[in-house]
Amino acid sequence: DAMVIQNPRYQVTQFGKPVTLSCSQTLNHNVMYWYQQKSSQAPKLLFHYYDKDFNNEADTPDNFQSRRPNTSFCFLDIRSPGLGDAAMYLCATSRGGGPSNQPQHFGDGTRLSIL
Amino acid sequence: QQQVKQSPQSLIVQKGGIPIINCAYENTAFDYFPWYQQFPGKGPALLIAIRPDVSEKKEGRFTISFNKSAKQFSLHIMDSQPGDSATYFCAASIGTGNQFYFGTGTSLTVIP
Repeated sequence: DAMVIQNPRYQVTQFGKPVTLSCSQTLNHNVMYWYQQKSSQAPKLLFHYYDKDFNNEADTPDNFQSRRPNTSFCFLDIRSPGLGDAAMYLCATSRGGGPSNQPQHFGDGTRLSIL
Repeated sequence: QQQVKQSPQSLIVQKGGIPIINCAYENTAFDYFPWYQQFPGKGPALLIAIRPDVSEKKEGRFTISFNKSAKQFSLHIMDSQPGDSATYFCAASIGTGNQFYFGTGTSLTVIP
């Protein structure tokens, strides 16, 4: 059973047209992450939430925003997608707050294409 | 600055061979080292992980070797199978910092 679910699996949008990707989890993990992964590259962390606390990476463009309305859901908003934003977007969760790190659990990603 | 350096970028082995993927790090504060396996069109899946208080961990055909003094760790896949063909990422994290630093990935092909 899928524990981190991303919708849609494939998204096509037009250059400059806002798009929202969604992620839900059934693990009740308090940390949720958004990564951008381009072909043959490692996932690049965009931001993460620890509960409701938002942590933005220094090099994440302002074009990328995120919302986490509750524990189970997290959204990635791309306000004005450019051609360079075409990528796989991965959502991940982990159980934070313990004495040491716990593994991340990834969804299968949303493949975003820009026309 | 790449926090975790991974090599090789790609690897081809015959079925039954033992591919070895290496990772190196500089930050001695890292205390959790997972390996992820990713198939095309899928998200990374946790394969095996190690903490620096042990030098080796084995799960099935997958073994992590950890050398704390050299700040290196490696993944060995015993009796590799064509189904192991995937991209493998090493990663590292610090305590409860909630951030994971990924290596650049290794594309493994196992030839039947």
